[in-house]
Amino acid sequence: TQLLEQSPQFLSIQEGENLTVYCNSSSVFSSLQWYRQEPGEGPVLLVTVVTGGEVKKLKRLTFQFGDARKDSSLHITAAQPGDTGLYLCAGVPASGGSYIPTFGRGTSLIVHP
Amino acid sequence: GAGVSQSPRYKVAKRGQDVALRCDPISGHVSLFWYQQALGQGPEFLTYFQNEAQLDKSGLPSDRFFAERPEGSVSTLKIQRTQQEDSAVYLCASSSGQGIYGYTFGSGTRLTVV
Repeated sequence: TQLLEQSPQFLSIQEGENLTVYCNSSSVFSSLQWYRQEPGEGPVLLVTVVTGGEVKKLKRLTFQFGDARKDSSLHITAAQPGDTGLYLCAGVPASGGSYIPTFGRGTSLIVHP
Repeated sequence: GAGVSQSPRYKVAKRGQDVALRCDPISGHVSLFWYQQALGQGPEFLTYFQNEAQLDKSGLPSDRFFAERPEGSVSTLKIQRTQQEDSAVYLCASSSGQGIYGYTFGSGTRLTVV
């Protein structure tokens, strides 16, 4: 069973469209990270959210942490081909004493020009 | 260095061969992590070092996997008697803290066992 469920698994859209990617769990997290990974490269950290209800913006990307700190979403406005990649969320469990993030399986996004 | 450097980028090993994968973290980063990423999956935790101490190795899949970081900087992940199921991308990441706020990853080593 995956601790973090990401949806959708795959997304293929046209340039200019908006999209939202979800990261859900039944567990509470002390922090949640979003990464983007391009083929043949390692994941690159986009943002970390730590407070329930927190919203962070990074240009056309908006990240939200759920009030209960169990889920998060990533919204991209006016997607561009350069946004293509694998989007991964990773959460640090709030209980259990571990500080090591667990990753979801990712959402593979393709933006067509 | 400016980023996390991993070598080799690609490794093809015959089944039963031993391999060693190297990671050069960002200078001054005390925390170093190894992850395994299968095709189409998210990274799976293998092991964690704080300086030279291996604080967590709970993710190592078998006793054929061994990691070390003897001087608290460069780390080596060794896989003995490789099996086909070991084929994956092995990612190294480092952080100045414990990683709660995120890591910097290397580009990974793609291991193919034939």
